[in-house]
Amino acid sequence: AQRVTQPEKLLSVFKGAPVELKCNYSYSGSPELFWYVQYSRQRLQLLLRHISRESIKGFTADLNKGETSFHLKKPFAQEEDSAMYYCALANFGNEKLTFGTGTRLTIIP
Amino acid sequence: GAGVSQTPSNKVTEKGKYVELRCDPISGHTALYWYRQSLGQGPEFLIYFQGTGAADDSGLPNDRFFAVRPEGSVSTLKIQRTERGDSAVYLCASSLTGTYNEQFFGPGTRLTVL
Repeated sequence: AQRVTQPEKLLSVFKGAPVELKCNYSYSGSPELFWYVQYSRQRLQLLLRHISRESIKGFTADLNKGETSFHLKKPFAQEEDSAMYYCALANFGNEKLTFGTGTRLTIIP
Repeated sequence: GAGVSQTPSNKVTEKGKYVELRCDPISGHTALYWYRQSLGQGPEFLIYFQGTGAADDSGLPNDRFFAVRPEGSVSTLKIQRTERGDSAVYLCASSLTGTYNEQFFGPGTRLTVL
């Protein structure tokens, strides 16, 4: 069965410091990985996905198949990065998403 | 353009009652998903529609839960004989057809079963 693990429920980082949100997955195939974000009083929205190889709002994520990880990183945190972050996995050929439990990121001014 | 909308935004009901939750997807999106999010958890998949048909209903927890999408647009999630454990935020999302397309989420319906 596929599973997504986000070990940190809460993470506080000072403004300007680097951020790393951890995500590990288990899946016996070739999954596609996503990061979704929910800002205060807003709906859940896509931040980035592995297949696009893009950087959004300064965030990047590298898929490490050996470690089955897809950690989200940003070199310099900004106050507007405070939000709830969810890592998610999709199967090839089946579009449903399996989400982790989420990490609440707080940026300290 | 308009995003995914869900009604009602909040629903309070008594144990044993029947409830219907509605989702209006983005126009032109053929794929529609329902997820359930309990407190402190990530969204949990319930059912996925491709057009009018349920392509995957493996996430429905039991036969009290049922969903329809008769014209390939609006969807209704129906819960019979509600239980206190059904209390959660029910999220709807829609996307264009195709593997790995971005899912656009609605604001959710918060269901409270007393």
